[in-house]
Amino acid sequence: IVMTQSPATLSVSPGERATLSCRASQTVSSGLAWYQQKPGQAPRLLIYGASTRATNIPARFSGSGSGTEFTLTISSLQSEDFAVYYCQQYNDWPLWTFGQGTKVEIK
Amino acid sequence: QVQLVESGGGVVQPGGSLRLSCAVSGFTFSTYGLHWVRQAPGKGLEWVSFIRFDGSNKYYADSVKGRFTISRDNSKNTLYLQMNSLRAEDTAVYYCAQDRDNPTVLRGNWGQGTLVTVSS
Repeated sequence: IVMTQSPATLSVSPGERATLSCRASQTVSSGLAWYQQKPGQAPRLLIYGASTRATNIPARFSGSGSGTEFTLTISSLQSEDFAVYYCQQYNDWPLWTFGQGTKVEIK
Repeated sequence: QVQLVESGGGVVQPGGSLRLSCAVSGFTFSTYGLHWVRQAPGKGLEWVSFIRFDGSNKYYADSVKGRFTISRDNSKNTLYLQMNSLRAEDTAVYYCAQDRDNPTVLRGNWGQGTLVTVSS
């Protein structure tokens, strides 16, 4: 399964809304996760099951979609949200596949 | 709390070998499958390998098949990755990660990573 994220880079001002997309080459049902990664750190799980926030993840992060089309929305960007975001499918067990990443940068 | 701690990374020459370890605490090690995922410098995440909870089945990415071997010791709560015939393109941070609970639930527990550099 190939995961394709868009855009590659998203320039957003603090306080604005960010919408990231992820498309799967075949259905992954709800086996879709979103991660945030900052330089020098391991990926941090934000969303699993396409729409369930992981523990201690702020409510401004939300996920939606099923099948092959998914979206991560950050409702009001904070300074700590500027990072790279990856989608991951884990439906095709036990193989994991990641998107190539979307970098969210300060506009 | 849950901890996954990788070790064993370092600098190795092309064609050389290295064994990575991942020490796990905070969950019942023997009931979960485990993955290795790597990230080359400045690049994205690449799945490398998976081992079932009891070690009965192992899976590999095509890029490492025949060169890498995943294993585990449930008595020591430790996961391993034996890497042979290393190439420059294997240079990356290697992470161990806990498998999903079921088709929907993923706990997102990863280690902090260990850097492997293949260079002469």
